[in-house]
Amino acid sequence: KNQVEQSPQSLIILEGKNCTLQCNYTVSPFSNLRWYKQDTGRGPVSLTIMTFSENTKSNGRYTATLDADTKQSSLHITASQLSDSASYICVVSDRGSTLGRLYFGRGTQLTVWP
Amino acid sequence: KAGVTQTPRYLIKTRGQQVTLSCSPISGHRSVSWYQQTPGQGLQFLFEYFSETQRNKGNFPGRFSGRQFSNSRSEMNVSTLELGDSALYLCAARTVVGVYEQYFGPGTRLTVT
Repeated sequence: KNQVEQSPQSLIILEGKNCTLQCNYTVSPFSNLRWYKQDTGRGPVSLTIMTFSENTKSNGRYTATLDADTKQSSLHITASQLSDSASYICVVSDRGSTLGRLYFGRGTQLTVWP
Repeated sequence: KAGVTQTPRYLIKTRGQQVTLSCSPISGHRSVSWYQQTPGQGLQFLFEYFSETQRNKGNFPGRFSGRQFSNSRSEMNVSTLELGDSALYLCAARTVVGVYEQYFGPGTRLTVT
């Protein structure tokens, strides 16, 4: 069964600190993995997209890693800011059809305190 | 460029009624997907439309239906509303070539009373 599991479910950190969010998946065949940031009450916004051949990708203070062998990904946030408070969602795409399917994790709710 | 737009943004309905939500994708992004998001379940895939045809479908009852028009705009309909249908409904648009970027709209917040 194709699944995406994220941990931790929620996380509280102090402003300026770093944190790492985890994503494990069982989706097969694998096409790509995405990290989204979703502010409360708004639609998700893409942070990074990684294909099978990529093992790291950065977007400002966000750095995602991918280990396709162990089917694990992480999202590292450096020098957190209050605006980083949001839900971070890991999404994996398969190649099961022409248009592919997206499998969503339930997200990690990050709260950054001043 | 303009983003994905969804209307209405907020909606309150009573049980048993039906509702239609609309999504207008970014120009050139011809695939439109619909998702239901609730606090307990996260994002759940409803269906995806491309070229006016449903291409993928999630595990939702037949009360949830959709369609796509020739200009790629899409509508989602929920009939015989239940309390459990209260959720944020998101649509997302993308191209269908290569490793595509998927753009989400702001969502429609549906409350069923």
